[in-house]
Amino acid sequence: DQQVKQNSPSLSVQEGRISILNCDYTNSMFDYFLWYKKYPAEGPTFLISISSIKDKNEDGRFTVFLNKSAKHLSLHIVPSQPGDSAVYFCAALTGTASKLTFGTGTRLQVTL
Amino acid sequence: DGGITQSPKYLFRKEGQNVTLSCEQNLNHDAMYWYRQDPGQGLRLIYYSQIVNDFQKGDIAEGYSVSREKKESFPLTVTSAQKNPTAFYLCASSGNSPLHFGNGTRLTVT
Repeated sequence: DQQVKQNSPSLSVQEGRISILNCDYTNSMFDYFLWYKKYPAEGPTFLISISSIKDKNEDGRFTVFLNKSAKHLSLHIVPSQPGDSAVYFCAALTGTASKLTFGTGTRLQVTL
Repeated sequence: DGGITQSPKYLFRKEGQNVTLSCEQNLNHDAMYWYRQDPGQGLRLIYYSQIVNDFQKGDIAEGYSVSREKKESFPLTVTSAQKNPTAFYLCASSGNSPLHFGNGTRLTVT
């Protein structure tokens, strides 16, 4: 049972444009969400997070939006850069749990 | 520099052999985790430990074992009972912060 879903396995965006990565979840108990970025043969690195009491969190070129009623979050990267090409994982946490539940990842390719 | 060290980066074993993957952290984090990554399946939790001498099964613990005798170390043993052991294994740790990952060990069992 996949509680965190990333339905787009891959996305290609031109340099300078906006990249939008989507994530859906089914567990209404999730109250904290994170995005990780992963390059091949390396461990994921933390990118940005959002608490369920917010609907938006921004950090430089990265913004995460949360729609609790739709159980949907998205990561916006603007402007996209070639170095953003990586696999992006959405992850979720409940307040009482100490383990993250990850989505299946979306491979972003930023082209010149 | 503080971080998580996973060794070796690549590991090859014959079917039927147990193999132990190393994970060491010098971040002074209490909690440590083992995840497995397979194509199209994201990261799945194998085992985790919130404190020394204690650990819990994750979502796919069958065929694996762990120990947590020291705060810095959380080795994972892939036993011969694990049906599909070939994968990329990631160790992580956390204090009051998002998970911090090591660079992984790619295990190939033939």
